[in-house]
Amino acid sequence: KAGVTQTPRYLIKTRGQQVTLSCSPISGHRSVSWYQQTPGQGLQFLFEYFSETQRNKGNFPGRFSGRQFSNSRSEMNVSTLELGDSALYLCASSLGRGNAHEQYFGPGTRLTVT
Amino acid sequence: QKEVEQDPGPLSVPEGAIVSLNCTYSNSAFQYFMWYRQYSRKGPELLMYTYSSGNKEDGRFTAQVDKSSKYISLFIRDSQPSDSATYLCAMSAPGYNKLIFGAGTRLAVHP
Repeated sequence: KAGVTQTPRYLIKTRGQQVTLSCSPISGHRSVSWYQQTPGQGLQFLFEYFSETQRNKGNFPGRFSGRQFSNSRSEMNVSTLELGDSALYLCASSLGRGNAHEQYFGPGTRLTVT
Repeated sequence: QKEVEQDPGPLSVPEGAIVSLNCTYSNSAFQYFMWYRQYSRKGPELLMYTYSSGNKEDGRFTAQVDKSSKYISLFIRDSQPSDSATYLCAMSAPGYNKLIFGAGTRLAVHP
């Protein structure tokens, strides 16, 4: 069974630009969550999508947004990039809501903002 | 104060040693307790989870949860150099898919 895939794996952007990251969950998984990982703050929850609806949101500014498609694939978008947005962005999938204990992570997208 | 506290280490042990990794937490609503392993430049890999209090064993790994003390542990027996990684504890409340992570403990097992 294929795992969670994320594209692209690496990205370099300039301050002020916007970026879109993509996540394909494990087949059959309907919940997708996004996390940001930085050396200073560790792993922090961004948001969760289930049935194409955002179900939960972390404490991040509105520049961070996402969506989920009918096939459960998800994208996240960051607008007006700042230097502090440089991080590893991780996507995790699970069967459904209430399955946080069985979330499986992708390899992440490493975003560098210059 | 963070909801989940974890000593970042680093922790260096000789091959074959028993490793003890720990986390404390403050939110009594947490019911699921997970341990993830993350190798450099990779995504976190789910090792095991425990529901509520008690112990769970999987091969060389044992997870313990003490809800009365708000304290969880992961023990690694007969540690191997391939166990060298960052170990992250994570917790969640029932019905939520939001994981709260500890800072991660960097473990090095030397031959």
